[in-house]
Amino acid sequence: DVVMTQSPLSLPVTLGQPASISCKSSHRLVYHDGDVYLNWFHQRPGQSPKRLIYKVSQRDSGVPDRFSGSGSGTDFTLKISRVEAEDVGVYYCMQATHWPETFGQGTKVEIK
Amino acid sequence: EVQLIQSGAEVKKPGESLRISCLGSGYNFSNYWISWFRQVPGRGLECVGRIDPSDSYTNYCPTFQGHVTISVDRSLNTAYLQWSSLKASDTGLYYCARYLGDKWGRGTLVTVSS
Repeated sequence: DVVMTQSPLSLPVTLGQPASISCKSSHRLVYHDGDVYLNWFHQRPGQSPKRLIYKVSQRDSGVPDRFSGSGSGTDFTLKISRVEAEDVGVYYCMQATHWPETFGQGTKVEIK
Repeated sequence: EVQLIQSGAEVKKPGESLRISCLGSGYNFSNYWISWFRQVPGRGLECVGRIDPSDSYTNYCPTFQGHVTISVDRSLNTAYLQWSSLKASDTGLYYCARYLGDKWGRGTLVTVSS
């Protein structure tokens, strides 16, 4: 299975400041069609995960533009340009290029 | 509005059978694979398997292969995850999601305890 390794696992942030989460995969994530199926999800306590980013850098509809995804090969990053209170929760990266789909361990974002 | 509506929480004993459901509404159900995931505190999110509602083709994640069955009833726009003999280690929160995770259900909590 492809192992997804996130860092940090805990991220205290100041409101209005930027935040960055790293996700490294054990295998390259380029699929036969040339796309990279690397997604980012946000999960608030008591809620189901919500997809923010798909195919590395494509924002889902309704996702604020303060969220951005980047990366290639085996290294990927989710950035929040200015953290807002509603951004707290756990962020997961997930690869869907190789079966089975696998998730990172999660990064818990909290306000300092 | 696209929704995935999951069945309610279940409490079962080891060895019992169970089927939980996921109803898709607001879109053409046959056009999107349905994936199942499990979330357990301390183990994060795990892939269970997925099904193509158009032809019922399934893939199972290795951890769950042979222990669960994923099926679909296209006439009801509903996907199912079932066990024939539950174990305590099946306890967890099970989510269904449209393939690649653009929409998720709210989850079904399954508790298996003697």
